[in-house]
Amino acid sequence: EAGVTQSPTHLIKTRGQQATLRCSPISGHTSVYWYQQALGLGLQFLLWYDEGEERNRGNFPPRFSGRQFPNYSSELNVNALELEDSALYLCASSLNGGLSSYNEQFFGPGTRLTVL
Amino acid sequence: KNEVEQSPQNLTAQEGEFITINCSYSVGISALHWLQQHPGGGIVSLFMLSSGKKKHGRLIATINIQEKHSSLHITASHPRDSAVYICAVGLYSGGGADGLTFGKGTHLIIQP
Repeated sequence: EAGVTQSPTHLIKTRGQQATLRCSPISGHTSVYWYQQALGLGLQFLLWYDEGEERNRGNFPPRFSGRQFPNYSSELNVNALELEDSALYLCASSLNGGLSSYNEQFFGPGTRLTVL
Repeated sequence: KNEVEQSPQNLTAQEGEFITINCSYSVGISALHWLQQHPGGGIVSLFMLSSGKKKHGRLIATINIQEKHSSLHITASHPRDSAVYICAVGLYSGGGADGLTFGKGTHLIIQP
């Protein structure tokens, strides 16, 4: 069974541009979580999507947004890129997002975003 | 806000040693995860615990819900165990699961 996949592996952008990151969950998983791992800051929760809806978001500005498609894959969009957005962005998926119970999250390999 | 504290931050040991990494958290949780991150960034979920103890190969994880504390143990450590080990807690509030809250990680180096 394929795990969580993310694309691209690496992404280089300049300040002010937009970045789009993609995530495909494990087959059968309906929830997708996005996390940011900036240098020196550790992992932080960004966004949670389940059944096509945004269920929760972390303490990030509105220029971090995303969506979930009918096949449960997800996009993370970062607008008006700033230098401090340079980070590893990790996606995780789980069964039904814990709407009925707590479910384990499985992580993808990440997308490394560099903003110049 | 649920804070997660890990100790030690850095740990260097010799091959074969018994390793213990600790994690403490501040509020009630639904589950605690132990994650492993190798250089390059990929994260592997080692355990998810809500009570008691779990064992997988040379890895053992325990959790004490009353004391809000968990430990990850590695027996007969090997250089390939060198990685960052991250504790993360999750909360199910009835309205759904929140995103995980992470500790800062323990950087483990096992020397041959």
